[in-house]
Amino acid sequence: DAKTTQPPSMDCAEGRAANLPCNHSTISGNEYVYWYRQIHSQGPQYIIHGLKNNETNEMASLIITEDRKSSTLILPHATLRDTAVYYCIVSLGGSYIPTFGRGTSLIVHP
Amino acid sequence: GAVVSQHPSRVICKSGTSVKIECRSLDFQATTMFWYRQFPKKSLMLMATSNEGSKATYEQGVEKDKFLINHASLTLSTLTVTSAHPEDSSFYICSARDRGEPWANTEAFFGQGTRLTVV
Repeated sequence: DAKTTQPPSMDCAEGRAANLPCNHSTISGNEYVYWYRQIHSQGPQYIIHGLKNNETNEMASLIITEDRKSSTLILPHATLRDTAVYYCIVSLGGSYIPTFGRGTSLIVHP
Repeated sequence: GAVVSQHPSRVICKSGTSVKIECRSLDFQATTMFWYRQFPKKSLMLMATSNEGSKATYEQGVEKDKFLINHASLTLSTLTVTSAHPEDSSFYICSARDRGEPWANTEAFFGQGTRLTVV
C-alpha cells in the first residue's frame, strides 16, 4: 500500500472550513483514498473515500488532485466536536487492511 | 453506517490473569475482522487479521500464544490476552468489513475500543 504524509497538527476556528491535506505520491491506479478520524479514547470513525472523482457526503468533502498524488479532506463548518486525529489511508482492494500512520491532530477552537 | 460493538469498554485485571475482549458486527456479516492495539499518543498498530472459520494471521512481533484470537462466526471475533502483564495495558480496537460488499470499495467499521489496564 502507498504511504501517506500528513501534517502532524492543525487548528481551525469553529464555524470555519477545515482543510486537511494528505500526500500520497506513490499511489497506484487502483488504490482508493480513505479518511477516518479518531476522537480521543474512541475507535476510528469512517468519514469518506474516493478513487478519482471528488466526493461529498454529509460529513465532509474529499478533493483528489487530477494526478491523484494528493488529496484534501474538507470539513465545511468545523465544530468543537470535530476535534480529533484524522487519518488518510490509501489501499488496494482485495487486500485492504486499514493501516494507520500518525495522522493529523485537528484542534477546533472557539 | 454499520455497527461494530466491542465489549467490555474498560477492564482492569491482575497481572497473570487472562482477559477476553469481544467484537461483534451487529447488522452485517464480517468474514474478516482486524485487531489493533494503540498506546498513548501513538497510532493504531495492526495486531492480527481474524478470518471466520480459520486461524488468524498475526503481524510480525505479535505473539500468537499470548493474544488468542477466535472468529467462530460471521458476527463474532474474540481476543484473549493470556497471562496479562502491565506492559499489555493498552487500548485494543477491533474492525470489521461487510462480506456482502465489493471488497475494494468499502470502508471498515470500528468498535469503540477496550481500555485494558493490568495491575
